[in-house]
Amino acid sequence: GAGVSQSPSNKVTEKGKDVELRCDPISGHTALYWYRQSLGQGLEFLIYFQGNSAPDKSGLPSDRFSAERTGGSVSTLTIQRTQQEDSAVYLCASSRASGRSTDTQYFGPGTRLTVL
Amino acid sequence: AQSVTQLDSHVSVSEGTPVLLRCNYSSSYSPSLFWYVQHPNKGLQLLLKYTSAATLVKGINGFEAEFKKSETSFHLTKPSAHMSDAAEYFCVVSDQAAGNKLTFGGGTRVLVKP
Repeated sequence: GAGVSQSPSNKVTEKGKDVELRCDPISGHTALYWYRQSLGQGLEFLIYFQGNSAPDKSGLPSDRFSAERTGGSVSTLTIQRTQQEDSAVYLCASSRASGRSTDTQYFGPGTRLTVL
Repeated sequence: AQSVTQLDSHVSVSEGTPVLLRCNYSSSYSPSLFWYVQHPNKGLQLLLKYTSAATLVKGINGFEAEFKKSETSFHLTKPSAHMSDAAEYFCVVSDQAAGNKLTFGGGTRVLVKP
């Protein structure tokens, strides 16, 4: 079946511009996660959506970052006023909604963001 | 708080020889542990996971890992490396205290020599 999809695969933007990154989870998965992979910081958690509960935003690095999930499916990660340190690969993952730490998270291919 | 340390940032092996990737974790609760692999310009793929059942876990492509609570380790092994095993490997921990957030180790890049 279809896996997690992300778009665009690559995004180049100028410093100060806003960008939107999209994630389409696996059908039937109600938990959705965003992570960031960068050279300096490795892989780090950003935000987590579980069903209709309030999202866990504890990993967002600044208030320039926000995310929403519409209709319990597609999610958009928005970065406002991008900075060069935002350059990274942004990964989305989804899992079944058991709410347990044992759940397997399935990852998309990522969006490579370059801020010039 | 949970954390993961991968003891080697790079490992080089010859094709056909064993592979050992070392991982130590810290968790206040009964952890779930995962190994993911990332091939160049590809997404993360799950190799195997430990979720408090059998301590020896078998995964895809001949990999296995053993959970050792007394040593807080979850080392990944494979008896015979293949060229296609060249990739970056991540040890990952998750526990109830952290919700379902994954905490990743720094990664181990594996080079396989012919």
